[in-house]
Amino acid sequence: AQSVSQHNHHVILSEAASLELGCNYSYGGTVNLFWYVQYPGQHLQLLLKYFSGDPLVKGIKGFEAEFIKSKFSFNLRKPSVQWSDTAEYFCAVNAPGGFKTIFGAGTRLFVKA
Amino acid sequence: ETGVTQSPTHLIKTRGQQVTLRCSSQSGHNTVSWYQQALGQGPQFIFQYYREEENGRGNFPPRFSGLQFPNYSSELNVNALELDDSALYLCASSLPTGQGLNTGELFFGEGSRLTVL
Repeated sequence: AQSVSQHNHHVILSEAASLELGCNYSYGGTVNLFWYVQYPGQHLQLLLKYFSGDPLVKGIKGFEAEFIKSKFSFNLRKPSVQWSDTAEYFCAVNAPGGFKTIFGAGTRLFVKA
Repeated sequence: ETGVTQSPTHLIKTRGQQVTLRCSSQSGHNTVSWYQQALGQGPQFIFQYYREEENGRGNFPPRFSGLQFPNYSSELNVNALELDDSALYLCASSLPTGQGLNTGELFFGEGSRLTVL
């Protein structure tokens, strides 16, 4: 069965620090990969997505993620976080041609001003 | 562009009762999925509706059921509520693809928070 594992449940950083959130998935075939974000008081929304092509994908607000097929990983990065990046981040996987998206348990990021 | 809207935003029920949650999909989206998000966990797939029929289901018992209407809006019904049903219920719509499949790019509503006492 597909599963998604996020390495950190809680992360606390100071502004301008670099961010890397780990995500590994278990699925043997081709997958679509996502990072979703939920800012305080807001709905879950797409941060970035990978379907195919360049394994380094860029999303909104300066976030990027790298797909490493051999490691079944899709880690999220940002060189310099801002206080406004405080949110919960979810990694997710979907098998193309399917209907179910599997989410990780989420990582709560708190950025200190 | 109208986003996904859900109602009610909060509700409290007691064990054994039944609940109906409602969702209007984003304009142009014909596929609606429902997810359950328990506290401290990621969303878990309940089921998906396409063309008014359930075309995919997660590991949830039959007392979780749904409907989709011709305007693509949807309902989630839960019968015989249990304490563990307390959660945030999320509705998500997705862009039309062939045969009601989706790419995983989902557009979420703000959710309905259900508390079962």
